[in-house]
Amino acid sequence: DAKTTQPPSMDCAEGRAANLPCNHSTISGNEYVYWYRQIHSQGPQYIIHGLKNNETNEMASLIITEDRKSSTLILPHATLRDTAVYYCIVRSLRSNTGNQFYFGTGTSLTVIP
Amino acid sequence: GAVVSQHPSWVICKSGTSVKIECRSLDFQATTMFWYRQFPKQSLMLMATSNEGSKATYEQGVEKDKFLINHASLTLSTLTVTSAHPEDSSFYICSARDVAVSYNEQFFGPGTRLTVL
Repeated sequence: DAKTTQPPSMDCAEGRAANLPCNHSTISGNEYVYWYRQIHSQGPQYIIHGLKNNETNEMASLIITEDRKSSTLILPHATLRDTAVYYCIVRSLRSNTGNQFYFGTGTSLTVIP
Repeated sequence: GAVVSQHPSWVICKSGTSVKIECRSLDFQATTMFWYRQFPKQSLMLMATSNEGSKATYEQGVEKDKFLINHASLTLSTLTVTSAHPEDSSFYICSARDVAVSYNEQFFGPGTRLTVL
């Protein structure tokens, strides 16, 4: 399974864009990049995912480099409620079950008033 | 849509007893559910993959006789921690796939905090 590397922590001023990087240099051609976040003592929440094109939804944008070895999650206007641990995950596909998610250490984002 | 619930949300038990945690997909059918464990200030660790009507697949290092998983219906999977000990105290989280919506995405439950005294 492709592993991911993220900075352990980041701060962002409220109202500014939060850019969270992720390295996944061993990603294979058919593996997707997923982003989830976990607010303290809750289950993870899906944010966005992509294969090779940039993606945008109501929560965030995902920028994937052309070589797919890294990506950046962008929260365009961070709010205090965006304070959470953000996980970048590369999906592993196995035989009959598939879609196991292996979580890395994530980035703890703190949005500062 | 795509809501996953867990019951109980927290439980305290004595060492040596067994504890059952339920994971339900409320508005979709989940052929596959996943169980994770999370220790304080650590990431989620995948324990097992639960498939409806068949045996669960456990990750390396997870004792299948200690963590019993049953996925008897398309909306319910249970994790039983047998003969629990204090080191089993953790945050247990399940997730489920709704293949009718997305083959790729997993929806997570709110978690169950287990404390073994």
